[in-house]
Amino acid sequence: DAGVIQSPRHEVTEMGQEVTLRCKPISGHNSLFWYRQTMMRGLELLIYFNNNVPIDDSGMPEDRFSAKMPNASFSTLKIQPSEPRDSAVYFCASSSDQNEKLFFGSGTQLSVL
Amino acid sequence: DAKTTQPTSMDCAEGRAANLPCNHSTISGNEYVYWYRQIHSQGPQYIIHGLKNNETNEMASLIITEDRKSSTLILPHATLRDTAVYYCIVRAFTGTASKLTFGTGTRLQVTL
Repeated sequence: DAGVIQSPRHEVTEMGQEVTLRCKPISGHNSLFWYRQTMMRGLELLIYFNNNVPIDDSGMPEDRFSAKMPNASFSTLKIQPSEPRDSAVYFCASSSDQNEKLFFGSGTQLSVL
Repeated sequence: DAKTTQPTSMDCAEGRAANLPCNHSTISGNEYVYWYRQIHSQGPQYIIHGLKNNETNEMASLIITEDRKSSTLILPHATLRDTAVYYCIVRAFTGTASKLTFGTGTRLQVTL
């Protein structure tokens, strides 16, 4: 198994632009998590899905952030419009109900100029 | 989920055992202790978890005190590749996925 796959690995954009981060969970996993990591705030959970349904989005910072999971093998995290304070590493993770280990992707390093 | 307290940083000589403590004095009966680590520029990696019995796998051992208010992660023979931030997390296992909340962790530096 290739593990959790995130793309792009790096994204540099200008303030005001739309940014879309992508995640492919491990096949067979039914839960997907989006985290954000910064030096100041550490690892923060933004949202998680179970069986493609959003369960808890209380960590989503504001309406500029949205996440979707149209099917079991794909999820997106969109920021529109982006701001410099959104600069961070965004991680996607997946797990199964039978085994609550979370498997993380390599992350997307986002820089908003 | 119960709050955990870990030292900010620790050093360990290569080849020696690294013992990373974690306090979780408010842990509930149905909450497990999980350990993850994050090597620089990588996503967090699962290490081990347990409820009340000591656990061992190919990566580490987990020792949980009888009152479950604290635990210790043991890396028996630390190598330079074990340099990372180690997170102790307490979380209930409900049979379906629930959120995993990371604290600030312990930064372990393994030296020659």
